[in-house]
Amino acid sequence: GQNIDQPTEMTATEGAIVQINCTYQTSGFNGLFWYQQHAGEAPTFLSYNVLDGLEEKGRFSSFLSRSKGYSYLLLKELQMKDSASYLCAVRNQAGTALIFGKGTTLSVSS
Amino acid sequence: DADVTQTPRNRITKTGKRIMLECSQTKGHDRMYWYRQDPGLGLRLIYYSFDVKDINKGEISDGYSVSRQAQAKFSLSLESAIPNQTALYFCATGADSETQYFGPGTRLLVL
Repeated sequence: GQNIDQPTEMTATEGAIVQINCTYQTSGFNGLFWYQQHAGEAPTFLSYNVLDGLEEKGRFSSFLSRSKGYSYLLLKELQMKDSASYLCAVRNQAGTALIFGKGTTLSVSS
Repeated sequence: DADVTQTPRNRITKTGKRIMLECSQTKGHDRMYWYRQDPGLGLRLIYYSFDVKDINKGEISDGYSVSRQAQAKFSLSLESAIPNQTALYFCATGADSETQYFGPGTRLLVL
């Protein structure tokens, strides 16, 4: 079967650092994506990992460990506009589809 | 102009009615997808297409059908709408192994 787990909700304060974890069990693996989705809007691409390690892109970084079936998204210097849902998605081995987790809703307060 | 557009953006219909949601893209991507999003359930794949002659069922295709009229157009039909098809529907496009780009969504309410 296929399963992707991430926390339902997280809270943090402006300027802080937050780490959103994602664990996955899938029949095949061909890359892991993180998307950001503001309420009522479309998901937008944040990052992509296919090899183990850390990918850094500005205030956002994403880490992958394929042997542990684990990824995290790290958000630094949090801003109010970072309040959104963060979706973890795994691409199947055939590369034909993304399987999404249920998303983590992050609330950033001042 | 937006790269991926969806029409309508909002739709209210009654149980038993047939409706069509449309998606167009200007990104030149071969791959197109339809998802639905429900609170607490995340995004679930309904159908996907890798070119005009290719249609594939996703995780939750029952009660839905699709048509790929051209590379740029992919429509989703609800043959006989029912209340549990009330959801937010997203179209997405992608090129080979690259990421997917989502349209703005269609909010559907079935009474």
